[in-house]
Amino acid sequence: GENVEQHPSTLSVQEGDSAVIKCTYSDSASNYFPWYKQELGKGPQLIIDIRSNVGEKKDQRIAVTLNKTAKHFSLHITETQPEDSAVYFCAASIDGGKLTFGQGTILTVHP
Amino acid sequence: GAGVSQSPSNKVTEKGKDVELRCDPISGHTALYWYRQSLGQGLEFLIYFQGNSAPDKSGLPSDRFSAERTGGSVSTLTIQRTQQEDSAVYLCASSPRASRGGETQYFGPGTRLLVL
Repeated sequence: GENVEQHPSTLSVQEGDSAVIKCTYSDSASNYFPWYKQELGKGPQLIIDIRSNVGEKKDQRIAVTLNKTAKHFSLHITETQPEDSAVYFCAASIDGGKLTFGQGTILTVHP
Repeated sequence: GAGVSQSPSNKVTEKGKDVELRCDPISGHTALYWYRQSLGQGLEFLIYFQGNSAPDKSGLPSDRFSAERTGGSVSTLTIQRTQQEDSAVYLCASSPRASRGGETQYFGPGTRLLVL
């Protein structure tokens, strides 16, 4: 089955800096790649997603890139703010089925 | 509009007891998913319902776990003879449909289960 690896497990940045989180996947049939943000005591919330027919997608300070050949995708957050501090998960799925998640990245943004 | 809701928000039970966890998906969403989040295992898929199709049960860890979805809406996850290793947060998600190319899955707040 699908396996998703996520790095780094923890990331600490200063407010205003950029943050990058990387994921690799194993199943070339995967075609949907969402990123979720999870705050303490809450369920995961989608922040951005990308489909396999697109190489890059941007939404304000957040961008995701996808390299299908290398089977990896990355989340980029620019101009980080303290409220960006949370756990971030990447995931992959085939045709909208079950999500396989990465292990998560704890992002801390220091004021 | 209303999001995915789950109940109870917290559940403490004794080892060996049965528990039922409830999920109310977003109205009109035909796909419903259950996941489990634990410290050692991260976020794991359990089971997935899509319309009237047979559910994908491939993630259920043992035959003590079962789920049903009545009327294409509310779903109940049942754990029989609970064990301490079942302690985790159980998350439900729904999406408009499970289509080619993927659809956003919207998550509920989860049920925190503690088995003593």
